[in-house]
Amino acid sequence: DSGVTQTPKHLITATGQRVTLRCSPRSGDLSVYWYQQSLDQGLQFLIQYYNGEERAKGNILERFSAQQFPDLHSELNLSSLELGDSALYFCASSGQTGNTEAFFGQGTRLTVV
Amino acid sequence: GQSLEQPSEVTAVEGAIVQINCTYQTSGFYGLSWYQQHDGGAPTFLSYNGLDGLEETGRFSSFLSRSDSYGYLLLQELQMKDSASYFCAVRGSGYALNFGKGTSLLVTP
Repeated sequence: DSGVTQTPKHLITATGQRVTLRCSPRSGDLSVYWYQQSLDQGLQFLIQYYNGEERAKGNILERFSAQQFPDLHSELNLSSLELGDSALYFCASSGQTGNTEAFFGQGTRLTVV
Repeated sequence: GQSLEQPSEVTAVEGAIVQINCTYQTSGFYGLSWYQQHDGGAPTFLSYNGLDGLEETGRFSSFLSRSDSYGYLLLQELQMKDSASYFCAVRGSGYALNFGKGTSLLVTP
């Protein structure tokens, strides 16, 4: 158990809908990362937050947004969903922005139908 | 931007040694990491190289050459449970942790 909690584990929704994925980082970790992993694909970096502020942005679509709250949990919002958004979404946390090790949650499997 | 290249698949026999290479291009460099992911599971951290040279952790070792923008993961005494995907990851400027597409390792009896 990495100490990172993601909910829900599975999500099935229709095209055009909006969903929110939630992540609770390890106790004490200030940095949260979001990744998208499609079938047989690598981990695509979406966005990183550190202590409530956005620190780095990857290939995140405009339809996607995220935030980190004062209690350090983070949410990834996906809107106007398309079939191609079906993927495994991972959250990871680390102690400092430059910390060498990131701890991953078990992921949320999103299926858009 | 950043890019990482690693082989897509590697097959090796149980008990053998296998090396997974990773070359990278990045603006700013704060270390090369390796992660393991079993099917459908969460990636887990294996090792980190911030400076040139070899780091050893049990059966796994990792090497970095910053001048060549190159690193590798060495797995010794392969076991069936080592069948998994292995990702190299680079932390560049801006603190983003970017991953390669992964190498699928199949260990055969």
